[in-house]
Amino acid sequence: DQQVKQNSPSLSVQEGRISILNCDYTNSMFDYFLWYKKYPAEGPTFLISISSIKDKNEDGRFTVFLNKSAKHLSLHIVPSQPGDSAVYFCAASDGSSNTGKLIFGQGTTLQVKP
Amino acid sequence: KAGVTQTPRYLIKTRGQQVTLSCSPISGHRSVSWYQQTPGQGLQFLFEYFSETQRNKGNFPGRFSGRQFSNSRSEMNVSTLELGDSALYLCASSLPMSTEAFFGQGTRLTVV
Repeated sequence: DQQVKQNSPSLSVQEGRISILNCDYTNSMFDYFLWYKKYPAEGPTFLISISSIKDKNEDGRFTVFLNKSAKHLSLHIVPSQPGDSAVYFCAASDGSSNTGKLIFGQGTTLQVKP
Repeated sequence: KAGVTQTPRYLIKTRGQQVTLSCSPISGHRSVSWYQQTPGQGLQFLFEYFSETQRNKGNFPGRFSGRQFSNSRSEMNVSTLELGDSALYLCASSLPMSTEAFFGQGTRLTVV
């Protein structure tokens, strides 16, 4: 049972345009969401997170939006740069479990073309 | 501040053998989690250790086990290796009560 889903395996955008990566979840107990970026042969690096008490969080070019009623979150990258080309993972945490366990989506490969 | 260190980076083993992977967390991080990444499967949670105790476990067979030492360093062991165990194994550490996990570069295990 995939509790966190990233339905688009890949996304290609032009440099300077907006990249929108989507993520859906099924478990209503999830209360904290994170986005990680991963380059080949490296571990995932933390990008941005959002608590379920918020609907938006910004950090520079990265903004995450959370729609709890739809159980959907998205990551916006504006403007997109070629160095953003990587695999992006959405992850969720159930705070009530009081553990560090993260549930990840399958990832979306973003290609930003110069 | 040193990041999460995983050793070895690459490993080739034969079916039926066992393997031990090591993870040194960021200084001060007492929670260590392990994940398996295979093509198309994303990252799947294996287990988490906190203060030398397993705090959570994913849906993996008993061949996968782990432990944590008093200095927070962690090891995971896979016994009776199968071809399907070939994957990138990632370790992540975090501060107590923090959800943000910091990952190591991973150990690429190939079972032949």
